[in-house]
Amino acid sequence: NAGVTQTPKFQVLKTGQSMTLQCAQDMNHEYMSWYRQDPGMGLRLIHYSVGAGITDQGEVPNGYNVSRSTTEDFPLRLLSAAPSQTSVYFCASSLGPTNTEAFFGQGTRLTVV
Amino acid sequence: GDSVTQMEGPVTLSEEACLTINCTYTATGYPSLFWYVQYPGEGLQLLLKATKADDKGSNKGFEATYRKETTSFHLEKGSVQVSDSAVYFCALRSTSYDKVIFGPGTSLSVIP
Repeated sequence: NAGVTQTPKFQVLKTGQSMTLQCAQDMNHEYMSWYRQDPGMGLRLIHYSVGAGITDQGEVPNGYNVSRSTTEDFPLRLLSAAPSQTSVYFCASSLGPTNTEAFFGQGTRLTVV
Repeated sequence: GDSVTQMEGPVTLSEEACLTINCTYTATGYPSLFWYVQYPGEGLQLLLKATKADDKGSNKGFEATYRKETTSFHLEKGSVQVSDSAVYFCALRSTSYDKVIFGPGTSLSVIP
């Protein structure tokens, strides 16, 4: 079972560059989310989606875009990378709301120089 | 808004010591509560969960009880092992929002 797959695992960007972090899940989950993890900050929600065609902002959405054209894929786009976006990014999916658990990808470590 | 508070780490324990990591939450309604664990270099994985008041979640020797009266979900283990060294996150899933709210995480190191 693949679960949640994130690519790439590591990335170095120059300030101002753009890129897309990929996330795919094969569990037919409706709910998908992107988090960033920073030392001492825990996980902060960037964007989330409750189904194909529906996205919403989390706590820290600025500088990021998402789209959800299919149930399986939920890419995260950095429009113009900044050093403040250096972080570890996690994608997660879950079957539905309330009591269902979230399944996480392995993470993408992004460094912006 | 909804939030989760965890005890600050890092926590260092000797093997076979008892572990308690405190977690309290603020939420409307009756959220579901979770503990996730993150081993070095990996993503988060579910450790245990509880979906209603007085439920006890348990897994791998860890336990946590959903206490609505004290809005708490403390993680406990009677005898920790070196392999338990990881970061532990308390989280809630609100009935109001379609998202999971995480605490800041507590780093645990267990030394032989």
